[in-house]
Amino acid sequence: QPVLTQPPSASASLGASVTLTCTLSSDYSNHKVDWYQQRPGKGPRFVMRVGPGGIVGFKGEGIPDRFSVLGSGLNRYLTIKNIQEEDESDYHCGADHGSGSNFVYVFGGGTKLTVL
Amino acid sequence: QVQLVQSGPEVKKPGASVKVSCKASGYSFTSFGVSWVRQARGQGLEWMGWISPYNGNTNHAQKFQGRVTLTTDTSTSTAYMELRSLTSDDTAIYSCARLTMMRNMDVWGKGTTVIVSS
Repeated sequence: QPVLTQPPSASASLGASVTLTCTLSSDYSNHKVDWYQQRPGKGPRFVMRVGPGGIVGFKGEGIPDRFSVLGSGLNRYLTIKNIQEEDESDYHCGADHGSGSNFVYVFGGGTKLTVL
Repeated sequence: QVQLVQSGPEVKKPGASVKVSCKASGYSFTSFGVSWVRQARGQGLEWMGWISPYNGNTNHAQKFQGRVTLTTDTSTSTAYMELRSLTSDDTAIYSCARLTMMRNMDVWGKGTTVIVSS
């Protein structure tokens, strides 16, 4: 199964842009990854899924247009433009692996985004 | 609207079991899977397993094999997660989430705090 690696922290100034990275282990360059946002003290919410060609399917409910994704090689990126205070959150990436009912799902360690 | 409402907080002694419920509303319960995810304080998300309310198919993360049971009651649109032989390492927030056909989790419950302490 894939291993997902995320830097533990990132920061950006209000109104700026930031790109968060989720790196797949080797041999998984075609894998899709899901991004989740978790605001302080809250449960996660689905942001969107990204594959090698970009977004797969639709954004999660209420996710603003400021959020976009890109895939390249083993990396899956989440870019947030015009950062707002409400974007300060933990961002988790996750991916499923396996076929039929016997799939598993793995998460990266999460990246804590601080808005300066 | 689509909601997953979980049971209240639990405090358990080491060696005991806990059963967390997750009641779904606002959608066809048997048309989506249910995943269970936990998060220890200050840690990342950890996937525990999933179940299909439609046919009962289920799978767990290797780490929880033999210790977790996932079930559903379609008459009440409720999913259950039972974890046995609890240790202090199981202290965490346990969340259920709706699992889509794409296998992403698009709606989440608010989480149930489980504390394991002697």
